[in-house]
Amino acid sequence: DAGITQSPRYKITETGRQVTLMCHQTWSHSYMFWYRQDLGHGLRLIYYSAAADITDKGEVPDGYVVSRSKTENFPLTLESATRSQTSVYFCATHLDRANYEQYFGPGTRLTVT
Amino acid sequence: AQTVTQSQPEMSVQEAETVTLSCTYDTSESDYYLFWYKQPPSRQMILVIRQEAYKQQNATENRFSVNFQKAAKSFSLKISDSQLGDAAMYFCASYGGSQGNLIFGKGTKLSVKP
Repeated sequence: DAGITQSPRYKITETGRQVTLMCHQTWSHSYMFWYRQDLGHGLRLIYYSAAADITDKGEVPDGYVVSRSKTENFPLTLESATRSQTSVYFCATHLDRANYEQYFGPGTRLTVT
Repeated sequence: AQTVTQSQPEMSVQEAETVTLSCTYDTSESDYYLFWYKQPPSRQMILVIRQEAYKQQNATENRFSVNFQKAAKSFSLKISDSQLGDAAMYFCASYGGSQGNLIFGKGTKLSVKP
């Protein structure tokens, strides 16, 4: 099926552990985004990518690392998880800038204990 | 920096009635787009409606319509004939920044009473 998939859907990890959240799209859209959703904050941009091997920071990048070796994949890594990174993480994409609508993955609920 | 403000954390509406969710935004961009997204309990973000700033006509999608007041930087969502399935979080968002991302408000939780 075409679309955006995220894995895992749920993850519980301990403080200090490294965690990678996966995002895969089947459209080959250029732009991809990672947002986090926290109560009282809406969605905030963590990192984005304009194309393979091109990534840049968003509003809340501290503690996160991204890579994009292939157009269809955009993994997000928490190098040393902290409790403040407990959140719901969404991956999104849109087709260049001609289509401004963003398509979202189903989200990953991450709990850091 | 762009900002989006939703001043109503929670709203309630009777089934079959009409409800309006408020949103104001601030941007220095001359060309921008505005969106309403719905997030049901499943957590999936679903696009409800979008408005191009250069269009004076308010966007409409079936029971959903917007009141776009460009000078006032206001972008409210009207839901007519509310249904139980409309119960969700609703997020207002703007697009137009250099990063290509959306700027979201904090959301409004809509409850629909039978």
